[in-house]
Amino acid sequence: NAGVMQNPRHLVRRRGQEARLRCSPMKGHSHVYWYRQLPEEGLKFMVYLQKENIIDESGMPKERFSAEFPKEGPSILRIQQVVRGDSAAYFCASSGQGESYEQYFGPGTRLTVT
Amino acid sequence: GESVGLHLPTLSVQEGDNSIINCAYSNSASDYFIWYKQESGKGPQFIIDIRSNMDKRQGQRVTVLLNKTVKHLSLQIAATQPGDSAVYFCAENISGAGSYQLTFGKGTKLSVIP
Repeated sequence: NAGVMQNPRHLVRRRGQEARLRCSPMKGHSHVYWYRQLPEEGLKFMVYLQKENIIDESGMPKERFSAEFPKEGPSILRIQQVVRGDSAAYFCASSGQGESYEQYFGPGTRLTVT
Repeated sequence: GESVGLHLPTLSVQEGDNSIINCAYSNSASDYFIWYKQESGKGPQFIIDIRSNMDKRQGQRVTVLLNKTVKHLSLQIAATQPGDSAVYFCAENISGAGSYQLTFGKGTKLSVIP
């Protein structure tokens, strides 16, 4: 019973490049959440998605960041024209129908912008 | 804005002793709380949760206490083991708000001395 999967685990991008982070929720889960964690800090909510719908993107920066969760395939967090301040660990969590409070986290993608 | 915070950023305990990790929250509308454990390089791992209609909940070696009067949450770990060394986060949620986003505190680092 695989848990939440994220890839890549580590991603290095130069300033101005694009970063694509992928998240496959736990089997049977249809709710996906993305969080960002800076060093020595707690996780900050970014976006909450269900299949083909963005439910809450109140934590997403207005520019350069986007997220999707298509009908087929993993959820994607996309960061365009990355800057050094985007360097962080990005975590995805998933929850099942009716179990939305209990979120299960993936191992994270550590993005480094050089 | 309102946020979840922690009294102690670091805690060192002797193996076998009990540990108490504290958390203060300021959003009186929050009605669901979770404790997560995060080991170095990994995603947060669910430990225990509690809803606001309860003041105590027990799990295996862990107990969460909720004091709504002073907006305080604590995690007690009995007979602390070296494997308990990690950063512990409390997180809160407001049910019925249309989103299941979690608001995390900054974390407490627990170090167990063998």
